Amino acid sequence: AQSVTQPDIHITVSEGASLELRCNYSYGATPYLFWYVQSPGQGLQLLLKYFSGDTLVQGIKGFEAEFKRSQSSFNLRKPSVHWSDAAEYFCAVGALEYGNKLVFGAGTILRVKS
Amino acid sequence: NAGVMQNPRHLVRRRGQEARLRCSPMKGHSHVYWYRQLPEEGLKFMVYLQKENIIDESGMPKERFSAEFPKEGPSILRIQQVVRGDSAAYFCASGQSNTGELFFGEGSRLTVL
Repeated sequence: AQSVTQPDIHITVSEGASLELRCNYSYGATPYLFWYVQSPGQGLQLLLKYFSGDTLVQGIKGFEAEFKRSQSSFNLRKPSVHWSDAAEYFCAVGALEYGNKLVFGAGTILRVKS
Repeated sequence: NAGVMQNPRHLVRRRGQEARLRCSPMKGHSHVYWYRQLPEEGLKFMVYLQKENIIDESGMPKERFSAEFPKEGPSILRIQQVVRGDSAAYFCASGQSNTGELFFGEGSRLTVL
């Protein structure tokens, strides 16, 4: 069965510090991978996506993610966090065979200390 | 180009009433998806529709829930005889095809009293 695991429910970092949010997936097909961000009471905004090619993907707002097939991981990183990055982050996986029926992780809530 | 539009943004219903949530996809998108987000959980797929067709409803509860995407007008997610457990955020997403990027609306938050 397809699944996405985000091991960290909450993460707190200081403003200016680096960030890494973990995502592991289990999927029976070649995956497409996504990171979305959700601010309280808002919808989901796509940060970045991986379909194929270069395994290091650049996204909006200074985020990047690296696809590691051997580890079934797609961790999200940012070198220097800003207070406005405080939000909930969701990793999601899909596949051509399953269309856009995405499977989401449970999310990681990021808090930023000033 | 307007994004995915959902309304109402907030809906309050008493147990036993009906809830209707509407979604207008982005212009040019003919593929609509509904997802449900329960409190403190990730999004769960409910149903995938194209115009006048339900393609995949494997995530829909077997009773009380239905969805449509008519030839004209928005897609509608209908919940009959709501119960407290239906309280959630319901997100609609649209795409140009069945693969590739999905664009999400801001969600409709249903509260059942």
